[in-house]
Amino acid sequence: EIVMTQSPAILSLSPGERATLSCRASHSVRGNLAWYQQKPGQPPRLLIFGASNRATGLPARFSASGSGTEFTLTIASLQSEDFAIYYCQQYHEWPGTFGQGTKVDFK
Amino acid sequence: EVQLVESGGGLVQPGRSLRLSCSASGFTYGFTFEDFAMYWVRQRPGKGLEWVSGISRNSGKIVYADSVKGRFTISRDNANKSLYLHMTSLMTEDTGLYFCSKETLGYSETSGIGHWGQGTLVTVSS
Repeated sequence: EIVMTQSPAILSLSPGERATLSCRASHSVRGNLAWYQQKPGQPPRLLIFGASNRATGLPARFSASGSGTEFTLTIASLQSEDFAIYYCQQYHEWPGTFGQGTKVDFK
Repeated sequence: EVQLVESGGGLVQPGRSLRLSCSASGFTYGFTFEDFAMYWVRQRPGKGLEWVSGISRNSGKIVYADSVKGRFTISRDNANKSLYLHMTSLMTEDTGLYFCSKETLGYSETSGIGHWGQGTLVTVSS
């Protein structure tokens, strides 16, 4: 199975700062990658699919890029509601493996 | 708005079985349950997301994570808009919140998971 590795594990930032999250795949997944946000007590929420396509209603401060094995999620200017855990997931092949997550918390 | 509601979780002893169900509703734009690939994803307490199993629209493609292969069986009933997960030989490490989830786009297996239920908690303990 394809192993997904996210970095960093924890990202400590202040509101208004830029957040850059990375995700690496052990094998090429082409553009078959999604990003999710999860807050405590809630199910995950799809942010990005197809490596760079924003889900319906996602604010423009969220952007994503990458293909093959290297992917990035950027939050241009952190808002208070963005402090959460972010997961990447490849669905190039099943099982559709997830990364271990990056927690974005308050500095 | 699509709603996915899981049921069937609970406390079970190691080695026993449990069957999870997921009822789907609220499909729009001419799509129905049978137009979407479906998934079970779990989250162990305090841990990350783990893809457990996926099933294609017509059940022709079914895949399991290595951690559950041979013990869990996924199935779907398109007429009744339901997804199931039959879990046998349960182990303590199967404890977690099990999410029923749905492909984002119809007729696709390459658009991510666009809808999630709230999850049903499975606790395996003696």
